[in-house]
Amino acid sequence: LAKTTQPISMDSYEGQEVNITCSHNNIATNDYITWYQQFPSQGPRFIIQGYKTKVTNEVASLFIPADRKSSTLSLPRVSLSDTAVYYCLVGSNFGNEKLTFGTGTRLTIIP
Amino acid sequence: GAVVSQHPSWVICKSGTSVKIECRSLDFQATTMFWYRQFPKQSLMLMATSNEGSKATYEQGVEKDKFLINHASLTLSTLTVTSAHPEDSSFYICSAFGGAEAFFGQGTRLTVV
Repeated sequence: LAKTTQPISMDSYEGQEVNITCSHNNIATNDYITWYQQFPSQGPRFIIQGYKTKVTNEVASLFIPADRKSSTLSLPRVSLSDTAVYYCLVGSNFGNEKLTFGTGTRLTIIP
Repeated sequence: GAVVSQHPSWVICKSGTSVKIECRSLDFQATTMFWYRQFPKQSLMLMATSNEGSKATYEQGVEKDKFLINHASLTLSTLTVTSAHPEDSSFYICSAFGGAEAFFGQGTRLTVV
């Protein structure tokens, strides 16, 4: 499983766009990149998943450069409710693969 | 979407007693489920992989005799913390793959007093 590296913490003001970058230099050809959000005392929640280029859904965008050695989660116009820990995970998309969590990024939104 | 449910959400038990935590996949079958433990302000640490109909696979350093895992059906895995001690107090989370996506339970806060 490819190891991931993320900033430990980030602060941002409400209404701004937040970009969280994850490094995964050893990503394998069949690996996907998945981001999860975790609030205190809750299980992680799926945000977005991608393989290359750009993926967008109703809550976030995921940018993946051509070499796929990093990825950036973009949260548009954040609010206080986006304060959470965000985890970047890398693994093959075939199910039943044990997921190893890195440190995650603790995002704090400031009013 | 697929849902994974844990029960109970929180439990307080006396030192030396055993506690059982259930993890259910509500609308899909899961031959494999995973159990994690999370201490305050730390990341999730994988404890074991629960396999339906066979023995669980434990990560290095996790005591299999202390953390008993039973995966008796395709929708239910249980984690029993035996002879619990205060240092076992933690947040326990299970997950299962529904298709290609991993779904997580809401977690169980265990406090051993």
